[in-house]
Amino acid sequence: DIQMTQSPSSLSASVGDRVTITCRASQSISTHLNWYQQKPGKAPKLLMYVASSLQSGVPSRFSGSGSGTDFTLTISSLQPEDFATYYCQQSYSTPFTFGQGTKLEI
Amino acid sequence: QVTLKESGPALVKPTQTLTLTCTFSGVSLSTSGMRVSWIRQPPGKALEWLARIDWDDDKFYSTSLRTRLTISKDTSKNQVVLTMTDMDPVDTATYYCARNQPLGYFDYWGQGTLVTVSS
Repeated sequence: DIQMTQSPSSLSASVGDRVTITCRASQSISTHLNWYQQKPGKAPKLLMYVASSLQSGVPSRFSGSGSGTDFTLTISSLQPEDFATYYCQQSYSTPFTFGQGTKLEI
Repeated sequence: QVTLKESGPALVKPTQTLTLTCTFSGVSLSTSGMRVSWIRQPPGKALEWLARIDWDDDKFYSTSLRTRLTISKDTSKNQVVLTMTDMDPVDTATYYCARNQPLGYFDYWGQGTLVTVSS
C-alpha cells in the first residue's frame, strides 16, 4: 500500500496568514493527489484534485502543487471558515490511502 | 444534483456482521465510469478507505480488511451495500459512502453513519 504522510499534524495560525500543508507519498504517484477539508461532525469536502485542480465552488485562496512524492496545499490568506482538518489522499492506485490529517487551529 | 445517504444499524455487537447501505440519487451505477467507495473514520482519527465498486461490477478492497468486506450493488435501486464480518470495538467509526470519480477523487459524500461496536 502507498503510505501518505502529512506535516505538520497540527498548525496554529491567524486570520490573514498564509499557510502550507505538506503531503508526502511513499512512492511516486505522479499527480494523483487530492485534498479534502473536514469540519467537526461533517463529511469531508473535496478542495483540490490531481494535485492542482481547484474543485468547483472552492475559493481561489486554496491552491495545490507537486508531483511524484511531494505535494503542498497552500491557503493564501486564512479566513475564519478555513479552520478545520485537512487530509490528502492518493488515487494513483487502490487501495486508496489518506494522510493522517492536519488540524488547522486558531 | 448528486446525493448519497448511508443507512444501517447504529449499534452492533462484537462478532456480528455489519450491513450498510448507500442510497444515491442524481447518478446511476449503470453509467459507464460510475464508481462508489466506502470510507470510515474512527472517532478523532483519520479517514480510511474500505472498498470500491464500479459500474461494471469490478470490486476493490482495503488490503487489511479484504477478508472481512464484501461490496455489492443493486443498480435498480441505486444502492451499494457493504458488509463487514466479525465486528470488533475497534471498528467503531463513522462510515461514509462517496462517489469516486475515474481519477480517484471523492467529489460527493454522504453525511456518514456512526456505528458503535459494543456488547
